[in-house]
Amino acid sequence: TQLLEQSPQFLSIQEGENLTVYCNSSSVFSSLQWYRQEPGEGPVLLVTVVTGGEVKKLKRLTFQFGDARKDSSLHITAAQPGDTGLYLCAGPDSGGYNKLIFGAGTRLAVHP
Amino acid sequence: GAVVSQHPSWVICKSGTSVKIECRSLDFQATTMFWYRQFPKQSLMLMATSNEGSKATYEQGVEKDKFLINHASLTLSTLTVTSAHPEDSSFYICSAHGTLSSTYEQYFGPGTRLTVT
Repeated sequence: TQLLEQSPQFLSIQEGENLTVYCNSSSVFSSLQWYRQEPGEGPVLLVTVVTGGEVKKLKRLTFQFGDARKDSSLHITAAQPGDTGLYLCAGPDSGGYNKLIFGAGTRLAVHP
Repeated sequence: GAVVSQHPSWVICKSGTSVKIECRSLDFQATTMFWYRQFPKQSLMLMATSNEGSKATYEQGVEKDKFLINHASLTLSTLTVTSAHPEDSSFYICSAHGTLSSTYEQYFGPGTRLTVT
C-alpha cells in the first residue's frame, strides 16, 4: 500500500523564520507534487518534481525530490503571513486512472 | 490557464432533499475529473473518478447510489448528493486532469461547502 507521510502535522512560527516540511514514503514515486490550500478554497498546485535529486525553486520556496524518489521536502525561507495554509504532498496512485495519493498535510500558521 | 470552477460555492439544504454540484474546466478539456470530500482540518478523501462519457469509478466505501456522478462532456462533471443527511455535510472539491496537465497533475476547483440541516 502506498502511503505518504507528512511531518510535522502543525507548524506555528513567526514571520521571518525558516521552515522545512517533509513528505516521506517507503514506495518509489515517478513524481511528487506539492499543493497549498487556504481555508475554504481548493488546493493550488505549487510544483511537480520528477527527477531524483531534483531541486526546484519558486521565489522563497525550495522543493527537493529525494535521490531514490521516495521522499520530498519543502523549505520556506523568511516565511510571511501569506504563506499560511495547508501544504499537501501528492503522488501518483499505482492503481492508475491518473489518481493521486495525498499526504495528511502540514498546517502552517505564520504570525506577524 | 487550467482554471476549474465549481457551483455553487456553498449550499444549505434540508435533510432528505438532493443537491447538485457542478464542476467545470474553463480553459481546457478535462478527460478525467475527480471528486473529493474534505472534513475540517483533514486532508482530501477521494470519492470517485469520472471519465468523459463513461461511468464513474467509486472508491471503496462510497455509495454510488447516494453520490451520483455524471461526466457528460469534456468540460463538465456533476455530483448529486441524493437524500442528503446531516452527516453528508462537508466540503466537496472537484479536480480535473486533461489537456493542460502533465502526467498526474490535477487542477482543483474552489470547493463547495454543503450543510444539511
